[in-house]
Amino acid sequence: EAQVTQNPRYLITVTGKKLTVTCSQNMNHEYMSWYRQDPGLGLRQIYYSMNVEVTDKGDVPEGYKVSRKEKRNFPLILESPSPNQTSLYFCASSQYRETGGGYTFGSGTRLTVV
Amino acid sequence: GNSVTQMEGPVTLSEEAFLTINCTYTATGYPSLFWYVQYPGEGLQLLLKATKADDKGSNKGFEATYRKETTSFHLEKGSVQVSDSAVYFCALSRANFNKFYFGSGTKLNVKP
Repeated sequence: EAQVTQNPRYLITVTGKKLTVTCSQNMNHEYMSWYRQDPGLGLRQIYYSMNVEVTDKGDVPEGYKVSRKEKRNFPLILESPSPNQTSLYFCASSQYRETGGGYTFGSGTRLTVV
Repeated sequence: GNSVTQMEGPVTLSEEAFLTINCTYTATGYPSLFWYVQYPGEGLQLLLKATKADDKGSNKGFEATYRKETTSFHLEKGSVQVSDSAVYFCALSRANFNKFYFGSGTKLNVKP
């Protein structure tokens, strides 16, 4: 089944404790992206990657890091999480330049930073 | 710049009522337009899309027409069901770019 898999689904952590949210897709998509979803703000893009070793900032990159060492994986790293990073996070992928097809989204990771 | 504005929710309807969720956009160039649906506890799923002016996207009884003259892409359904209860997002992407711009989402509640 074609899908984007995120782990974990739920995570509660403390301020300052480094964490990684994993994302993997099995569709051989070139393009991957991370979004955060907050009430009243919709989805905002954090980082995106157009291919292996090619990443760039989205609209809200502060406090986040990403890497793209393999085509299928695109982990999101919070080096020192803070409470304002409490949010619902989505990973998504698509064929590069195939904007007509839209994204395939993962099921989301609900992160709480206390 | 590029942006999407959609109507505030929540929208509450009775089963079999007519649904309209308004969406307007601002974009440079010729964007593609999308509606995504998010069911409780799940990620977003593509509902329908339109890639050029006057195109009509449709799926599962939902429709939306790409109106360049009014920069709109309103979502409609003739008869909603309880199972349509979800959050609906309007989005645009520019040609040859994979950057998407999402609206803030509209929650739909359908009562039996």
